[in-house]
Amino acid sequence: DQQVKQNSPSLSVQEGRISILNCDYTNSMFDYFLWYKKYPAEGPTFLISISSIKDKNEDGRFTVFLNKSAKHLSLHIVPSQPGDSAVYFCAARTTGGADGLTFGKGTHLIIQP
Amino acid sequence: EAQVTQNPRYLITVTGKKLTVTCSQNMNHEYMSWYRQDPGLGLRQIYYSMNVEVTDKGDVPEGYKVSRKEKRNFPLILESPSPNQTSLYFCASSLGRINQPQHFGDGTRLSIL
Repeated sequence: DQQVKQNSPSLSVQEGRISILNCDYTNSMFDYFLWYKKYPAEGPTFLISISSIKDKNEDGRFTVFLNKSAKHLSLHIVPSQPGDSAVYFCAARTTGGADGLTFGKGTHLIIQP
Repeated sequence: EAQVTQNPRYLITVTGKKLTVTCSQNMNHEYMSWYRQDPGLGLRQIYYSMNVEVTDKGDVPEGYKVSRKEKRNFPLILESPSPNQTSLYFCASSLGRINQPQHFGDGTRLSIL
């Protein structure tokens, strides 16, 4: 049973527009969420995170929104740039539970010129 | 430069021939872990270590061993590799367990024939 779901395998967005990547989770014990970005032949790179006590966290062009009641989070990238083309993984963890991150399957973001 | 280094980056080997994938980090991180990435499955945790001599199983530990004799190193051992362990492997480390993003190595692609 997949606890972190990214239902869009790919997303195509025009350069300069907003990219919105979505993630749903089923485990109500998750209390810390992260987004990672991955280029081919490289390891995932941490992008932004949010604790369950917040509903929004912003870092430059990247904003993560958390809706706990809906068990949903989203990553907004504004404006989208060609270098943003990558696979984005949503991940979650429980502070008091087993260690490690539970990852979604990823969304391949393609920024069109 | 702060980094997580994995070796080898690529390996093709045969069933049953013991192999070790090394992982080293230079950030004095306490927490280290191993993940495997398979198509359509995202990243899944194999083993993790909260500190020297402290290791525990992740979600998919079968067929793997680890050790943590030094803080900086966390090797992944396949005693008798099988074809279903053909995968892309990532080592990661973080300063602590709670609400700390993990830093990933660039991955090791293993092919078991």
